[in-house]
Amino acid sequence: AQKVTQAQTEISVVEKEDVTLDCVYETRDTTYYLFWYKQPPSGELVFLIRRNSFDEQNEISGRYSWNFQKSTSSFNFTITASQVVDSAVYFCALRAPLPQDGTYKYIFGTGTRLKVLA
Amino acid sequence: DAGVTQSPTHLIKTRGQHVTLRCSPISGHKSVSWYQQVLGQGPQFIFQYYEKEERGRGNFPDRFSARQFPNYSSELNVNALLLGDSALYLCASSGLAGGVQETQYFGPGTRLLVL
Repeated sequence: AQKVTQAQTEISVVEKEDVTLDCVYETRDTTYYLFWYKQPPSGELVFLIRRNSFDEQNEISGRYSWNFQKSTSSFNFTITASQVVDSAVYFCALRAPLPQDGTYKYIFGTGTRLKVLA
Repeated sequence: DAGVTQSPTHLIKTRGQHVTLRCSPISGHKSVSWYQQVLGQGPQFIFQYYEKEERGRGNFPDRFSARQFPNYSSELNVNALLLGDSALYLCASSGLAGGVQETQYFGPGTRLLVL
């Protein structure tokens, strides 16, 4: 089965605190892609990062960092020194194949709502 | 460059009516996917179109249909609306259906309320 689990429904932190959002995935594929998206109140899903299954290097982009561990099927997202503008719902997604060869869909988790308080 | 655009932004319909939602992909992108996001949940895959052909369909009833035009824009149609169809409908475009470098970029969505 293809599945993404985000167990944290809502997290509240005070500005400047670090916060980690958890993502656990299930897939039978040996090659797969994982994604993180941010959804502010406006509703648009903003792409943050793509990671393929062959690359387990952690990635850092400014205050954002991602920890991909195949051994635990996790792809966690950390925001360092959080800011009020980071308040949003964050989704982890897995690219899953469709029956027709070469076609894919995204399977999303239920999202984690992050509230950063001033 | 413009991102994915969707229209209308908001829509209110009554049960049994029909609705058409529109999407224009990022310039140069040939694949469009549609997702439904019910309040409090993650987006659920409805359709994928590439080069005007349906390439994939999620677990949605036949009341849902879509098409893609020669300019790669797309329409999502929902017939016989039910209260449960109330949701945010998201359109995503990508450069190559199934390509290994494919990343889906999403539009702002259409918020549909069925009364």
